[in-house]
Amino acid sequence: DIQLSQSPPFLSASVGDRVTITCRASQGISSYLAWYQQKPGKAPELLIYAASTLQSGVPSRFSGSGSGTEFTLTISSLQPEDFATYYCQQVFSYPRTFGPGTKVDIK
Amino acid sequence: EVQLVESGGGLVQPGGSLRLSCAASGFTFSDRYMDWVRQAPGKGLEWVGRTRNKANSYTTEYAASVKGRFTISRDDSKNSLYLQMNSLKTEDTAVYYCVRIRSSSWGEDYFDYWGQGTLVTVSS
Repeated sequence: DIQLSQSPPFLSASVGDRVTITCRASQGISSYLAWYQQKPGKAPELLIYAASTLQSGVPSRFSGSGSGTEFTLTISSLQPEDFATYYCQQVFSYPRTFGPGTKVDIK
Repeated sequence: EVQLVESGGGLVQPGGSLRLSCAASGFTFSDRYMDWVRQAPGKGLEWVGRTRNKANSYTTEYAASVKGRFTISRDDSKNSLYLQMNSLKTEDTAVYYCVRIRSSSWGEDYFDYWGQGTLVTVSS
């Protein structure tokens, strides 16, 4: 199975900050990676797929990059509604796996 | 508007069975792969399994943790997805999400719509 790790696991930031979350895969997965946002008590939502393609309706302050084994999710200017937990996921092989999550909360 | 509505969750004893349902609307259900994903209380996301569409013979995939105990099925005439869970364990306690798959093409099967989830609690 492909293992995904995320760093940092927790992140405290202020509104307006630039935030970067890293996801590392245990083996190369090309660009077959997605990022999801989950708010407390809600279902996850797809933010980015194919490592860097923004899902329809997602604000342009979100961006993704990377390929192979290292990927990043960047929020260019953190907004109040962005405080949430973020998960990466690979679709390179079965079983589909998720990273452990990065919780972004208010400093 | 795409809607996925899960039902059937509840409290069940270890060793028991439960069947979850997911009612889909707002898209052509029969064309899509559909998955189940679960989340234990306070924990991360765990993929449970997948059913492919008719064009791909309704084949299924499962996580090792549920293989042989859980069965995913679908009824395209009812726009419904199911998860039959047998021999339940306490570690199966989780919110179970029904998920639509964005594309049936390999490497493009991202999870683009999620239901609100249904809670399954396995406890004596």
